[in-house]
Amino acid sequence: GDSVTQMEGPVTLSEEAFLTINCTYTATGYPSLFWYVQYPGEGLQLLLKATKADDKGSNKGFEATYRKETTSFHLEKGSVQVSDSAVYFCALLNTGFQKLVFGTGTRLLVSP
Amino acid sequence: DAGITQSPRHKVTETGTPVTLRCHQTENHRYMYWYRQDPGHGLRLIHYSYGVKDTDKGEVSDGYSVSRSKTEDFLLTLESATSSQTSVYFCAISELIGPRGGELFFGEGSRLTVL
Repeated sequence: GDSVTQMEGPVTLSEEAFLTINCTYTATGYPSLFWYVQYPGEGLQLLLKATKADDKGSNKGFEATYRKETTSFHLEKGSVQVSDSAVYFCALLNTGFQKLVFGTGTRLLVSP
Repeated sequence: DAGITQSPRHKVTETGTPVTLRCHQTENHRYMYWYRQDPGHGLRLIHYSYGVKDTDKGEVSDGYSVSRSKTEDFLLTLESATSSQTSVYFCAISELIGPRGGELFFGEGSRLTVL
């Protein structure tokens, strides 16, 4: 079945450091890929998405590129802020099933 | 922000008692979902609905049932709660089509503790 694998956390960075959170997937067909973010005490919210190969999703300084050849969708940000501290979830959606499959989440901690 | 309300937000109950969590939406979205979030497991789908009275199982459906008698309401029931069902439960909604098709909108979660 479809699955998503994320790097283990927590990821601990200093403010203004470069961020990469790895995500790889296994899926049939041509899924859409998503990054969701969960701030403390809140539900998840969409950060960015890409619907086909080579698409780049971007939002709030975060970027991820849909790489079909490596089945990856790594999340990057050039300069993190303390306010980026949260749990980040990679997910895929096979439209035919309309069910989002999540990775286990990666906690990011950014210190001043 | 999408109009999704979960109730109750916090509940403590005892093993063997029935529990019902409610999800209410004001967006008229067709799809509704119940997920549970546990450390080390991320979010796992319990049940979902693709229309009124149309529901299907997710990957961790054992011990749970759902009902959707109206577009706006999706109920999750634990017939006889167990300690393994202690978790944070999230409701989500989505549509297939439109500019935000496929995107899930989440409620704020319901924390359930089964003693």
